[in-house]
Amino acid sequence: DVKVTQSSRYLVKRTGEKVFLECVQDMDHENMFWYRQDPGLGLRLIYFSYDVKMKEKGDIPEGYSVSREKKERFSLILESASTNQTSMYLCASSKTGGSYEQYFGPGTRLTVT
Amino acid sequence: SQQGEEDPQALSIQEGENATMNCSYKTSINNLQWYRQNSGRGLVHLILIRSNEREKHSGRLRVTLDTSKKSSSLLITASRAADTASYFCATDKPGGFKTIFGAGTRLFVKA
Repeated sequence: DVKVTQSSRYLVKRTGEKVFLECVQDMDHENMFWYRQDPGLGLRLIYFSYDVKMKEKGDIPEGYSVSREKKERFSLILESASTNQTSMYLCASSKTGGSYEQYFGPGTRLTVT
Repeated sequence: SQQGEEDPQALSIQEGENATMNCSYKTSINNLQWYRQNSGRGLVHLILIRSNEREKHSGRLRVTLDTSKKSSSLLITASRAADTASYFCATDKPGGFKTIFGAGTRLFVKA
């Protein structure tokens, strides 16, 4: 059974803290994505990666960075968490070479106080 | 603005009825996908329809695509309480890496 896992389901952090969200996939997918989901706004792409050590900015990269040192792992980093980063964060992966379905993790609900 | 926009925003029906959700988009696409999200969970892929296809079926799901109107519809027949979820359309533009998701339709199926 294919799987995308995220390190935490719920996370509460204080303003100014550095936050790490981890995502691991076991499908040998080349592409990995980080989205945030807010009510009424759907999913918005933060960053994606199409290979190890490669990354591309999505629509809302400000305040975030990413790391992909291994093919199966894609990390999202909030350098200095702010209250407007309170959201649901979803990781996904897909095969490369065209339009393929994305496989999503269960999500991390992050609250920044 | 969103590439894909679903309509209606919310839909409430009785078990056994059909549910129809619509998606409109703005620019040309490679394909269009529909995903389901149960409350507080990740998204699950339902069906993909390519830009040169007009209709596709998967079990109780029927998807249509009208590229001239830049719209798609998802029909769920004989709905069940377990179909209660949010449904998102997602589009891929030619030559692009990114998949653009709409804001979703919330479907509630009453038992």
